[in-house]
Amino acid sequence: AQTVTQSQPEMSVQEAETVTLSCTYDTSESNYYLFWYKQPPSRQMILVIRQEAYKQQNATENRFSVNFQKAAKSFSLKISDSQLGDTAMYFCASGANAGGTSYGKLTFGQGTILTVHP
Amino acid sequence: SAVISQKPSRDICQRGTSLTIQCQVDSQVTMMFWYRQQPGQSLTLIATANQGSEATYESGFVIDKFPISRPNLTFSTLTVSNMSPEDSSIYLCSGRDRNTEAFFGQGTRLTVV
Repeated sequence: AQTVTQSQPEMSVQEAETVTLSCTYDTSESNYYLFWYKQPPSRQMILVIRQEAYKQQNATENRFSVNFQKAAKSFSLKISDSQLGDTAMYFCASGANAGGTSYGKLTFGQGTILTVHP
Repeated sequence: SAVISQKPSRDICQRGTSLTIQCQVDSQVTMMFWYRQQPGQSLTLIATANQGSEATYESGFVIDKFPISRPNLTFSTLTVSNMSPEDSSIYLCSGRDRNTEAFFGQGTRLTVV
């Protein structure tokens, strides 16, 4: 069984500043992936970044990076140089490792609404 | 990367009726899934759509209420049957192939009145 918890219902940040979204998880899987997805008002779910659990190095994708603390079961997302287009709901998710990718069957957290102010 | 076209984008339906949502992928995918996102809440997995066989439902979801078809590797439908206002949600399909992470359709916003 997997659970994902996001304790910040809403966050706000000024344009060009940095913000960190928190996520904790629990899983019975020995090998798994963690994800951050973004859902703007258009409803389209967009993959922001993913982390393989057995890799110690934190994943980075341009302005987005994660802080993965496996022992603490923590997986936070840092957005640097925030842009107005980053305004969206952000979901943390986990999924079992299918070898190279997850199986695609994901467990999502409750989401954090991020608002970037000009 | 692969793209899922989901339709309808939104609908308003009378209680007691049924709505079928379609998802068409522009390439073959091994796995497809259906999620429900109730207002202001997270995504909850309804079922895994299996090609050529019955879908695998998660706890709390049953085939009579949410029949799913997947006739081939690029297409799936979800029907919301005998709708009530509690079924008002966003419904999303997703796909996954061996070399890609899960990607999603645009979602269907369903309102039951």
